[in-house]
Amino acid sequence: GAVVSQHPSRVICKSGTSVKIECRSLDFQATTMFWYRQFPKKSLMLMATSNEGSKATYEQGVEKDKFLINHASLTLSTLTVTSAHPEDSSFYICSAPYLTGHTEAFFGQGTRLTVV
Amino acid sequence: AQTVTQSQPEMSVQEAETVTLSCTYDTSENNYYLFWYKQPPSRQMILVIRQEAYKQQNATENRFSVNFQKAAKSFSLKISDSQLGDTAMYFCAFKPEGSYIPTFGRGTSLIVHP
Repeated sequence: GAVVSQHPSRVICKSGTSVKIECRSLDFQATTMFWYRQFPKKSLMLMATSNEGSKATYEQGVEKDKFLINHASLTLSTLTVTSAHPEDSSFYICSAPYLTGHTEAFFGQGTRLTVV
Repeated sequence: AQTVTQSQPEMSVQEAETVTLSCTYDTSENNYYLFWYKQPPSRQMILVIRQEAYKQQNATENRFSVNFQKAAKSFSLKISDSQLGDTAMYFCAFKPEGSYIPTFGRGTSLIVHP
């Protein structure tokens, strides 16, 4: 099946710094990727839709300037958490739909972000 | 807008027994897909089973099967011969045909006891 790789799996950063999370589709091209945030024992909350070659589409309530998304190629989307704050500590998951032949989305392994 | 409801926040089952997780959804779409995803402690989301709404036959994957009732908008997951490795969060998801974005339920935490 299609593989989506997310890196890093865990990151600890200091308040005020920025951290970048990468999401790669390893064996297929993804013109669209999704970024989710998941709180402990909660469901996935869609943050934004990343579109290759154009601006990301953010869900209501998600700060565009805090969560910068770049989708520069057909296999890579990045989420940068800027000026990180302890409240940004969470589990972030990316997913990519396989546009032909599959109907489900494939998920990265997730990134545990801890801001200290 | 679609909504997905999982009314059981937590479930538990003894190893080797059978457990059913419930899921209902609300939509005005006629063509759509339904999924059950498993999220073990590793947090990796894993597709368990998929059902196309136009198919009347319930999907089955080894020990996992669904009871899809389209008129009732119900999509329950049955896990037979439960194993310790089935311990995980289970999310029901709905996706209209033509959309790439699934809507997830709140999840059900399943614990399999030895």
